[in-house]
Amino acid sequence: DVVMTQTPVSLPVSLGGQASISCRSSQSLVHSNGNTYLHWYLQKPGQSPQLLIYRVSNRFSGVPDRFSGSGSGTDFTLKISRVEPEDLGDYYCLQSTHFPWTFGGGTKLELK
Amino acid sequence: QVRLKESGPRLVQPSQTLSVTCTVSGFSVTSYHVSWVRQPPGKGLEWVGAIWKGGSTDYNSALKSRLSISRDTSKNQVFLKMNSLQTDDTGTYYCAKLGSSFDYWGQGVMVTVSS
Repeated sequence: DVVMTQTPVSLPVSLGGQASISCRSSQSLVHSNGNTYLHWYLQKPGQSPQLLIYRVSNRFSGVPDRFSGSGSGTDFTLKISRVEPEDLGDYYCLQSTHFPWTFGGGTKLELK
Repeated sequence: QVRLKESGPRLVQPSQTLSVTCTVSGFSVTSYHVSWVRQPPGKGLEWVGAIWKGGSTDYNSALKSRLSISRDTSKNQVFLKMNSLQTDDTGTYYCAKLGSSFDYWGQGVMVTVSS
């Protein structure tokens, strides 16, 4: 199985500041069709996860442009600029290139 | 408006079978794939399996021997069945629509495996 390693586990931030979360995979996430199936989710306390970024860098409908995704191969990053209170929660990366699909362990974004 | 809603028992005895239903609206299960994801209390997310719009399925290899995902297209419902439950199967079970990724999720159903 592809192991997804997220760092850091906990990320204290100040409101208005910037946050960066790393997700590394144990093997390349480039599919044989040339696409890279790496996605990012936010799970707010008591809620279901919500899609932020799909296929590395595409913001889902309604997601503010404060969120951006980048990376390639095995190394990916989610950046959040101008952090707002509603951005706090647990962030997960997901790879859906290889079966079984696997999630990272999560990063808790919390107030400093 | 896309909606998914899970329903099922909150408490299941060890060694018994879990049955959860995902009722969807706003899209057809014959036009979009649907997947299941679970989350133990206080822990991360685990992909369980998926049923493709054509009706075929894929399962997490770690659960495959105990798992079955099926659907009723006339009712726009997807079903998850998992047998031989153990206490570490306790958690919230979500169904999600597969579009760009898991783009819409249900609220989840919290299942406790306990005698």
